[in-house]
This record gives sequence, structure tokens and C-alpha cells, in this order.
Amino acid sequence: ETGVTQTPRHLVMGMTNKKSLKCEQHLGHNAMYWYKQSAKKPLELMFVYNFKEQTENNSVPSRFSPECPNSSHLFLHLHTLQPEDSALYLCASSQDPWEPSGGGTDTQYFGPGTRLTVL
Amino acid sequence: GESVGLHLPTLSVQEGDNSIINCAYSNSASDYFIWYKQESGKGPQFIIDIRSNMDKRQGQRVTVLLNKTVKHLSLQIAATQPGDSAVYFCAENNVGGKLIFGQGTELSVKP
Repeated sequence: ETGVTQTPRHLVMGMTNKKSLKCEQHLGHNAMYWYKQSAKKPLELMFVYNFKEQTENNSVPSRFSPECPNSSHLFLHLHTLQPEDSALYLCASSQDPWEPSGGGTDTQYFGPGTRLTVL
Repeated sequence: GESVGLHLPTLSVQEGDNSIINCAYSNSASDYFIWYKQESGKGPQFIIDIRSNMDKRQGQRVTVLLNKTVKHLSLQIAATQPGDSAVYFCAENNVGGKLIFGQGTELSVKP
């Protein structure tokens, strides 16, 4: 186990539903990340939070809404998703904060992911 | 453009043999590289990393080689075991501070 947990592990939702993904890290890290992993595509960074503050939104549609109430918890709120949003959503954390200007090279530790299917 | 890619989508090796997984990157300014292992149903797991001021780094049964001249990264796994079967990703830290991941190579170990 990496110290990063995600719930639920599997989620099936309709396009009109609202659901939330939860991530918790038990490592005392200061940065948390959401990634999307689609079949046969590289990991795509979605959001970055340093010390609970959002520092990166990688042009993600507004139907994905992140929330970071403290440095140990990260949520991804989902509403009116599309079938093409079906993917594995991965949470990660790192000790050092991520630096948009470069130089942030701290290793990221990933959770097991939530397999999302949008019908 | 900046991209990180792997030469082969799949690699099959015999148990006990050595495995070599390759990765090419295009951004010569990248200064940090990581290899991740992802088993079925799990998130990526850190294996080993290397900074651009090094050309080789060894871990337990794994070695990463960095050739900055040709912008090539490789992961060598010694005495490959069935438990090594997984998808392996390289990742590059580019000047934007983001980790850019390759598509992955699926390693299959035959008993």
C-alpha cells in the first residue's frame, strides 16, 4: 500500500447524476493531485493542490469540480458527465509542493484509483 | 513538442531473464525522470528515479540508464519474476513542472 486511499473503487453513474470521488493520504504530504487515465492514453494531470490551495487546473471541464478541505483529503465532484469521461481517476500526493514554474521534482505516490463508468 | 514515449507497447520475457524497457523523451531541458509500475487494478507505483546529472542509478533488481545525448531512458529488471508482470511507465519532469507520462509498456513474464 502506498498510503493513498481512494473511494469508491468502482462507480457507475448516469449523465444526470451527481457523485463524488474521495482521496485520502496518510503520508503527511503537502501536495495532492487528480489524474485521468483513459485506455491506451498516457496519464493526464487534471488538478494540483498545494497546502489545500489549487495551483493547477489543466483545462478541465467545469463538470469536474475539485475540493481540498485540508492537506490530507481531496475530493472530485462530478456532475452531468459524458460517456467519454469514463476512465480510471487516480489521486496522488507528494511531500514537496508542486511548482508551476518548474523544479518540482518530488516523487508522487498514487492511490489505487476509481474506475468510473458513465452511461 | 514535448512528449515521452515508449518504444514497444508490449514485451514478453522468460522468467529469470533480464528485461529492458525503453523510453524516449523529446525535451532536452527535462531534469528528472521516474519509472512507475502499474499492476492490473492498481495505481502506478514508484520504482526508481534519476536526475539529469546522473547516467545510471541502481535499485533492488532494477537499474535505470539515462542517455542525454540521444534522449533515451531505459529500465532494466534483473532476473524477471512473474510478479514483475505489469505496465511500466516512464515520466519526465518538464520545464513546466509537470510530470509527462508515456503510454506504457506491458511486460509479460512467461513461466
